[in-house]
Amino acid sequence: GAVVSQHPSRVICKSGTSVKIECRSLDFQATTMFWYRQFPKQSLMLMATSNEGSKATYEQGVEKDKFLINHASLTLSTLTVTSAHPEDSSFYICSARGGSFNTEAFFGQGTRLTVV
Amino acid sequence: GDSVTQMEGPVTLSEEAFLTINCTYTATGYPSLFWYVQYPGEGLQLLLKATKADDKGSNKGFEATYRKETTSFHLEKGSVQVSDSAVYFCALSDGDSGAGSYQLTFGKGTKLSVIP
Repeated sequence: GAVVSQHPSRVICKSGTSVKIECRSLDFQATTMFWYRQFPKQSLMLMATSNEGSKATYEQGVEKDKFLINHASLTLSTLTVTSAHPEDSSFYICSARGGSFNTEAFFGQGTRLTVV
Repeated sequence: GDSVTQMEGPVTLSEEAFLTINCTYTATGYPSLFWYVQYPGEGLQLLLKATKADDKGSNKGFEATYRKETTSFHLEKGSVQVSDSAVYFCALSDGDSGAGSYQLTFGKGTKLSVIP
């Protein structure tokens, strides 16, 4: 099956700094990538959907200037949390679909972000 | 809006015990239903799915039947193994085909621990 790699798996950063999370499709071209956020004991919440080469579509309530999403190539999407605050601490997961794997979405391992 | 409610964990079972994880949903249309599994340190993987009422999804000994009358998609396995220890997520997609929109709505997840 298709593999999606997400990096880093864990990151700790100081308040006010920015952190970038990468999501790569290793063996297929991901025309669409999705970014989710999961709070402890809560559901995965879709943050945004991005199509390669175009601007991401953000879900209601998600600040696009705070959560910058770039999907510049068919194998890489990045999520940058800018000016991070402790309330941004969460588990972020990406998923991707495309090419011959367009019938379902494949998920990365997730990134545990802790802002101190 | 769409929502998914699944039983809260954690669930601890002995090997070879019977497993049921309840999942009910609310949706305006005719969603497709999914169970995803997340093994420790890995990304979410699609376990099984059903795209219309009365469909039964099955994989690796797990089964779930799409019950429109009770808006449920309970996950079952007759005899669990230690290797089944993971977090299980119930999800729905509001796309008619289940493969189109991939804007998945997730339940909170249920952690299953199977002890020898």
